[in-house]
Amino acid sequence: QKEVEQNSGPLSVPEGAIASLNCTYSDRGSQSFFWYRQYSGKSPELIMSIYSNGDKEDGRFTAQLNKASQYVSLLIRDSQPSDSATYLCAVINQAGTALIFGKGTTLSVSS
Amino acid sequence: DVKVTQSSRYLVKRTGEKVFLECVQDMDHENMFWYRQDPGLGLRLIYFSYDVKMKEKGDIPEGYSVSREKKERFSLILESASTNQTSMYLCASRDQGQGRSPLHFGNGTRLTVT
Repeated sequence: QKEVEQNSGPLSVPEGAIASLNCTYSDRGSQSFFWYRQYSGKSPELIMSIYSNGDKEDGRFTAQLNKASQYVSLLIRDSQPSDSATYLCAVINQAGTALIFGKGTTLSVSS
Repeated sequence: DVKVTQSSRYLVKRTGEKVFLECVQDMDHENMFWYRQDPGLGLRLIYFSYDVKMKEKGDIPEGYSVSREKKERFSLILESASTNQTSMYLCASRDQGQGRSPLHFGNGTRLTVT
């Protein structure tokens, strides 16, 4: 069973700090990686995708990928209370047929 | 923008009823998915479909069936609803033609079975 692992949290950071969310995956052949944000009672929304080793930046968000270590992370700079949500890591399997989701990390940003 | 529409935001049904959850996408995506999401268990895949009239079981298909008669519509059917099927149900679609494409989710249907 291919797995995606995340710390459930909650991860608590003060407003303005950097939040670091981590994810590991077991399928070494995985090629595509995604971060979704989910507010309570809402559906997941895509915030970042990353396909190559290294960093990818989009505004206050930076995704980092290390395929050798099977590790993907999401950094949120200048965290805001509106960033308080559950963040889901997702990985496309080697066959490219399905997304496997982690259980999510709950982030709480205090003002 | 991709739009995935689920027909109901909230549903309350009685045990033993047959329940239909409808999902429509407007981007001509080949792949469509049904997940349920429960606290502490994350997103669990019920069924998915690669194309019209095709379906594949996911991780938890028991008690569910699906129908995909048209490319844009994917229906989840609870043959005889039970209280342990109370959950948030999420439909999603994906462009199969691009191997890197993400899932796009609908707004979800919160189903309560009493």
